[in-house]
Amino acid sequence: DVKVTQSSRYLVKRTGEKVFLECVQDMDHENMFWYRQDPGLGLRLIYFSYDVKMKEKGDIPEGYSVSREKKERFSLILESASTNQTSMYLCASTADRDGNQPQHFGDGTRLSIL
Amino acid sequence: AQSVSQHNHHVILSEAASLELGCNYSYGGTVNLFWYVQYPGQHLQLLLKYFSGDPLVKGIKGFEAEFIKSKFSFNLRKPSVQWSDTAEYFCSLTDSWGKLQFGAGTQVVVTP
Repeated sequence: DVKVTQSSRYLVKRTGEKVFLECVQDMDHENMFWYRQDPGLGLRLIYFSYDVKMKEKGDIPEGYSVSREKKERFSLILESASTNQTSMYLCASTADRDGNQPQHFGDGTRLSIL
Repeated sequence: AQSVSQHNHHVILSEAASLELGCNYSYGGTVNLFWYVQYPGQHLQLLLKYFSGDPLVKGIKGFEAEFIKSKFSFNLRKPSVQWSDTAEYFCSLTDSWGKLQFGAGTQVVVTP
């Protein structure tokens, strides 16, 4: 069974801090995604990656960057955290680039920016 | 650009009642459609999916969904809900590039 592991379930940081959210998958999936989940807005795609060192902007990339140095690891970076980035962050992976396979999600990181 | 619209944000119903959650999408090309569920405190997991073929698809836990191409709809149904079906349900689609677009979600509460 696919396992997507996010390094923290809960995280509290201060405004202006640089924040790293880590995600690791164990199924050798090519594709990895970062979403944020907010009430009434569903999940919104921040960034995704189809290969190592490759990244593409999603729908709401502003204020974020990503790193994919190894196939199994996809990191989300908040360069200078702001209060409007308080949210639930979900990482996902899938083996298929064409959208024919479902995505597998981690448990999420609930990030609070004070 | 594609989009997904879920009609209800909150649904409250009693055990044994029937459930139908509406989902409409807009996209001009071929889509793959999914329903995901998030139980309290758990990660998102797949309920069912439609790629092609029979427009009535069956998923886990007695759920089914019907793809109606002419209406751009993919409604989720369950004939008789249980308390354990309390969760948030997300309709989603992927386009030919594999990007997943989610609806806003429907919070379903089933009362004993």
